Amino acid sequence: SAVISQKPSRDICQRGTSLTIQCQVDSQVTMMFWYRQQPGQSLTLIATANQGSEATYESGFVIDKFPISRPNLTFSTLTVSNMSPEDSSIYLCSVGTGGGSNYGYTFGSGTRLTVV
Amino acid sequence: TQLLEQSPQFLSIQEGENLTVYCNSSSVFSSLQWYRQEPGEGPVLLVTVVTGGEVKKLKRLTFQFGDARKDSSLHITAAQPGDTGLYLCAGVNAGKSTFGDGTTLTVKP
Repeated sequence: SAVISQKPSRDICQRGTSLTIQCQVDSQVTMMFWYRQQPGQSLTLIATANQGSEATYESGFVIDKFPISRPNLTFSTLTVSNMSPEDSSIYLCSVGTGGGSNYGYTFGSGTRLTVV
Repeated sequence: TQLLEQSPQFLSIQEGENLTVYCNSSSVFSSLQWYRQEPGEGPVLLVTVVTGGEVKKLKRLTFQFGDARKDSSLHITAAQPGDTGLYLCAGVNAGKSTFGDGTTLTVKP
């Protein structure tokens, strides 16, 4: 399965600032996914990043708040813009791997963001 | 919106006990995945089930997909402290995954 390097692993940011999270995959993948997770809780899909086209955002998430870049098939960034304490969460990137009965998602180790 | 409900939400047991975690939905999924997540890490895929009624075993873990592909269960036999973590189910349809609420399992030595 793919190996994903995600950074930073954690950060504490001032409200009103922006943070860019990076994910590097060790293989070429068509789609990369960005999730948000409160500690110990479920994952919520923010958007799907496709190389060469605009990201597709889920309901409740907008490009101005969470701009995404996908410059090539192995790399993506998610920016959390104009942050407020409500943006404090764990942010995870993932890619799909395998197929059929072996299909699943490989995740980065996550970025724990605290906004103060 | 497809919802996946997991139960129980929290489970604390002694080493050696057995347990079952349930994942239920009113929606039909083409496949269902189970993940385990430890603090400070991303979820790690344990298994994918695709056929209604399918049973898969991974050492002491047994996964079952419901006949109607709307629900699933994870059974752990003789739990060990190393099984401690957050267990998440995820239903897949049309290439999109919906994650369950999660079950936090603590196995005490």
